[in-house]
Order: sequence, then C-alpha cells, then structure tokens
Amino acid sequence: DAGITQSPRHKVTETGTPVTLRCHQTENHRYMYWYRQDPGHGLRLIHYSYGVKDTDKGEVSDGYSVSRSKTEDFLLTLESATSSQTSVYFCAISEMNREGETQYFGPGTRLLVL
Amino acid sequence: GENVEQHPSTLSVQEGDSAVIKCTYSDSASNYFPWYKQELGKRPQLIIDIRSNVGEKKDQRIAVTLNKTAKHFSLHITETQPEDSAVYFCAASGTGNQFYFGTGTSLTVIP
Repeated sequence: DAGITQSPRHKVTETGTPVTLRCHQTENHRYMYWYRQDPGHGLRLIHYSYGVKDTDKGEVSDGYSVSRSKTEDFLLTLESATSSQTSVYFCAISEMNREGETQYFGPGTRLLVL
Repeated sequence: GENVEQHPSTLSVQEGDSAVIKCTYSDSASNYFPWYKQELGKRPQLIIDIRSNVGEKKDQRIAVTLNKTAKHFSLHITETQPEDSAVYFCAASGTGNQFYFGTGTSLTVIP
C-alpha cells in the first residue's frame, strides 16, 4: 500500500465549517496528490505537490487549499465546507515501477457536509 | 490538458466470458497508461500498466492493448470470475507527473 495513511477516515461536518484532511506517507515520495471521487466523475485532481512547499492546482481546486511543510505530510483544507464538497477524498503518491511513474492510493476519507 | 474517455460505463458478463473496456485519450504526449481496479469501499489498486513504446502487455488473465496512432487503449479480462466484479478505471499520464482518469466501468460477473 506504498505506506500511505489518511486521517480521518470518516468525517461529518456542517456547512461553513473548516475541515482539514491529512495524508501521511512513510517512503519519502516526492509527488503527492489529492483527488475527489464522485459517482459519474471518476477521480478528479484537486491539488498536487512536487516537493516541500511546492504545490499546484488541479482540475477542481476551487474551495480547497493545500500545504506541505514536510515531505511525509500533505494537508487538504476546505476553508468553509459546502454540501457540494461531500465526497470521498483519496490521497496518492507517485512511485517509479518497471513501466514508469505510477500512482498508488491511500485508503480514502469519506466526508459528509450537512 | 488531457481528456480520457472510458466506455462502457457498466458491463455485465457471464462467468467464464471475456470482458473488454476501452479508453481514448486526447494528448499525444501521454506515454503511460495504467489500469486500476476498485472494489466497493476500497481504494483503487493498480492491476496492469503499459508504456507507449509497447503495443500489448499480458499478466495472466488480464491484458492491455495500446494503439498510439488512434490514441486508444483497452483492458481485456479473459475467463472472468465473480471476484473480477469491481469498478475499473483507466488513466493516462505524460509530462508533468499528472494523471488523468476515465470515469470508470462497473463490471459485474454473473455466476
């Protein structure tokens, strides 16, 4: 499982509340990613990081911010949660295998915004 | 950016039959194409991948083919079993370490 953990695994919150999700990896991977998964949309990239303090936006970054102050931790923050942000959030790392750089996913966080 | 389309969105097959899932991509710079299997409530798991310098790759009952000229690639599962039932995602990646995913195919293998 590429040493990836996510916390919390489940969260229920109210509209307007700030929420922070944590992704932790133990294998010193440079690239880390946050995706959201919704029915009919597959996996959509929110933000990604290519090193400490180096981040960039993905396809659906509005309403989300990220921080990476240490190689092992990549935080996703919803500044003011909305019901449209109810989703399953997956963190991923990028790792080289025989074929190329590929992604391995964390276990996911189920977020419900009421 | 890249656009990956995946078909069909749902697929039902009898146990023992073959299943084929197809994806197209738009960016000719994409050169790496992984496939993921996701069981209900679990994380996506890499099952097979292929680079653009190879036309076909096989691993036991699963195979992937790539047509770089037509910008499409396919996943083939032979002798399907009930445990193959899951959602399958294709993806494409090129420069920049970004991955673009298809919208998924829900495969049901009927015993």
